[in-house]
Amino acid sequence: AQSVTQLDSQVPVFEEAPVELRCNYSSSVSVYLFWYVQYPNQGLQLLLKYLSGSTLVKGINGFEAEFNKSQTSFHLRKPSVHISDTAEYFCAVTPRGASGTYKYIFGTGTRLKVLA
Amino acid sequence: DAGVIQSPRHEVTEMGQEVTLRCKPISGHDYLFWYRQTMMRGLELLIYFNNNVPIDDSGMPEDRFSAKMPNASFSTLKIQPSEPRDSAVYFCASSTRTVEQFFGPGTRLTVL
Repeated sequence: AQSVTQLDSQVPVFEEAPVELRCNYSSSVSVYLFWYVQYPNQGLQLLLKYLSGSTLVKGINGFEAEFNKSQTSFHLRKPSVHISDTAEYFCAVTPRGASGTYKYIFGTGTRLKVLA
Repeated sequence: DAGVIQSPRHEVTEMGQEVTLRCKPISGHDYLFWYRQTMMRGLELLIYFNNNVPIDDSGMPEDRFSAKMPNASFSTLKIQPSEPRDSAVYFCASSTRTVEQFFGPGTRLTVL
């Protein structure tokens, strides 16, 4: 079975400052990893995904994440945040190649609040 | 493409009433997922379908919940009878074997 831990429930940060949102996972098999963003009163939108290859993954809106297999982590970073980045961010995993059963396990989410 | 479509966007009902939530997946997607989001429990997978067949319904909380997918372009999630603790945002998502799930805007359900 898999589990995902997002240690920070809320992260306040000033505009133009860098931010890191942490995600750790547990799994006995290899996984695919995802970060989704949810703006207020909207559905979830994919920010980026790690399927294979380079462990540094670049996504939309200037976000990137690094897959660290030894640390079982997939932290999300942005070098300079904007007010518009205020949203909830979810980390998710799914077992790699599990006979097509791409069932996500989501973390509890991190609420990013960008302050002016 | 219009993306995943859900209706209604908001539903307010009274305890004991039947509630039906609807979802139209992205054309060509063969997986469909129903999630529930609450403050207390976060995002929970309720059930998912592959090629219109329910594959895993282990997340369905009780027999009051049921889901169907009569064809590739339509799915329903029904709650009968509804209870105040069913109040939540319900999301539908669809995907193909590319793994990425595409989410709809959600239905906010309030049971009084």
